[in-house]
Amino acid sequence: GEDVEQSLFLSVREGDSSVINCTYTDSSSTYLYWYKQEPGAGLQLLTYIFSNMDMKQDQRLTVLLNKKDKHLSLRIADTQTGDSAIYFCAERKKGSQGNLIFGKGTKLSVKP
Amino acid sequence: AAGVIQSPRHLIKEKRETATLKCYPIPRHDTVYWYQQGPGQDPQFLISFYEKMQSDKGSIPDRFSAQQFSDYHSELNMSSLELGDSALYFCASSRGQGINNSPLHFGNGTRLTVT
Repeated sequence: GEDVEQSLFLSVREGDSSVINCTYTDSSSTYLYWYKQEPGAGLQLLTYIFSNMDMKQDQRLTVLLNKKDKHLSLRIADTQTGDSAIYFCAERKKGSQGNLIFGKGTKLSVKP
Repeated sequence: AAGVIQSPRHLIKEKRETATLKCYPIPRHDTVYWYQQGPGQDPQFLISFYEKMQSDKGSIPDRFSAQQFSDYHSELNMSSLELGDSALYFCASSRGQGINNSPLHFGNGTRLTVT
């Protein structure tokens, strides 16, 4: 995804918090999403945030949106080994018919 | 809860053959999307349909075509297969269109291997 950028790797210890960052370039994007992909599996929708919000919390997940800097982050509290996966940030641009532009994905490794 | 169903799960074809991938959206979802994910790559949007009409087109090769049927399921037809077509093909579905559509939910994908 040339419009959405993420760091490729993140390694944390079990029980720590993980923060995965994403930058996007289209300030008119309406929704921003986080998907999780385990090896050989599909894309699981984790959470999403509308562009007029700056924070959304859902159990262990916290999404922060800085629209001025076009920066999105996903914080996973109390990271578990089962959280090891690739996390994709995706944006839905204003005027699109709903299709998403994905980042390259961040591979999260959780060490016991 | 019911999810997006894709079939087959795996498919092996030879160069120049054809392949058909099927997608059954979540009940009451009227929009389907097709994505292609190459090894180690992010998913790339191919094409989408809303109420059986093509709604958007991405980087879909001319050798590929797709349609959505009256029961909202969709099929992706791929002809003259090339080695570079080997990838994971995802279908996603949502309800509604544009600003009002619900989040996209993805199936588990079809892994196509072209030899």
